[in-house]
Amino acid sequence: QGHLVESGGGLVKPGGSLRLSCATSGFTFTDYYMSWVRQAPGKGLEWVSYSSSGGSTINYADSVKGRFTISTDNVKNLVFLQMDSLRAEDTAVYYCARTSVKWFGDLLGWYFDLWGRGTLVTVSS
Amino acid sequence: DIQMTQSPSSLSASVGDRVTITCRASQSISSNLNWYLHKPGTAPKLLIYAASSLQSGVPSRFSGSGSGTDFTLTITSVQPEDFATYSCQQSYSTPWTFGQGTKVEIK
Repeated sequence: QGHLVESGGGLVKPGGSLRLSCATSGFTFTDYYMSWVRQAPGKGLEWVSYSSSGGSTINYADSVKGRFTISTDNVKNLVFLQMDSLRAEDTAVYYCARTSVKWFGDLLGWYFDLWGRGTLVTVSS
Repeated sequence: DIQMTQSPSSLSASVGDRVTITCRASQSISSNLNWYLHKPGTAPKLLIYAASSLQSGVPSRFSGSGSGTDFTLTITSVQPEDFATYSCQQSYSTPWTFGQGTKVEIK
């Protein structure tokens, strides 16, 4: 079935950096894409980034492009999110999410089929 | 970016009630629509993918329908463990976007 555990969250000052990790287990890591999704206090969910297992296909939300970097370790089955130049608006719970891709007839569907419990990032002076 | 709008933002229901949540996309997204359940402090859970496909292990009281711009999540007989926040998400084009969430509370 699978299991995801995020770590690395904490309190950081504006302009600072933080590196989140996601430990995965119970599934074949290289069969999936992996994503980061966040939820700011009182707000809805926001997709942040996704990566293929080898890192050949990566995409970012405009709100983090140029500041955040997603990467994977296919040996240890880990996913990382390096967050630089952090802003107050980056304050959120960050979730790691396994991302499945499947053809439904002529429709290519993407969906987050396994999530971690999240790690809280607070950006404040 | 594709905007996803859910209604209602919240609702109260009794155990056994039929609950319907709607999600509207700002442009056609074909059937690229997923539904999630989320409780505070826990991992979100996939319920429905590709608008109407039930995720493995999810009870059959959950169902999804729709295509294009209008979608519906239905719980035929809401159970105590179903009281949570439900979010729709489009995967038609990046940035993938979510609705603001619908909180289902006990009446």
